[in-house]
Amino acid sequence: GESVGLHLPTLSVQEGDNSIINCAYSNSASDYFIWYKQESGKGPQFIIDIRSNMDKRQGQRVTVLLNKTVKHLSLQIAATQPGDSAVYFCAETNQAGTALIFGKGTTLSVSS
Amino acid sequence: GAVVSQHPSRVICKSGTSVKIECRSLDFQATTMFWYRQFPKQSLMLMATSNEGSKATYEQGVEKDKFLINHASLTLSTLTVTSAHPEDSSFYICSGGREETQYFGPGTRLLVL
Repeated sequence: GESVGLHLPTLSVQEGDNSIINCAYSNSASDYFIWYKQESGKGPQFIIDIRSNMDKRQGQRVTVLLNKTVKHLSLQIAATQPGDSAVYFCAETNQAGTALIFGKGTTLSVSS
Repeated sequence: GAVVSQHPSRVICKSGTSVKIECRSLDFQATTMFWYRQFPKQSLMLMATSNEGSKATYEQGVEKDKFLINHASLTLSTLTVTSAHPEDSSFYICSGGREETQYFGPGTRLLVL
């Protein structure tokens, strides 16, 4: 079936370090992926997306890597800041392309 | 761009009453809106997909008569939780679809006493 999961439920880093959050997906036909950031008590915030015809996409301080061979998605955050502390979800489109399927989330904690 | 609002942000109601939550796309037209439910420390669970001018498509296990969805315009969708019970207490989040990306509202915290 379709599912998106994350390797680690929590990740703790020091301010200034680079963070890598991983996600594994099971639907090899998925062609669109999104990373969202959710702060406590708020709705998810779009961070970056990537299509299956790409293997890397960069934003401001964030990079998403897609490895279709092993069905793996990662989010890299450079120079992590305390404001980056949140739950990060990866999501993929379902087979029909009509909805998003969310992974379980990784809680990123950044200490000063 | 791509801002979605929800109202109210927080609501407390008595068991048996109905609660309406509004979701608006402020700076874009959302042909499709989505309603999610999120329990503490869990991921988002899709409840239903709402297309403007047509009936909503509910996910398996979601009661359409309990969670009434109306999508009357390209910028407004409403979710009504009818005859709410304590087990309906949750964080309800909507999103508006623009192309393949979904942009989320800030969520509504519902507490049913």
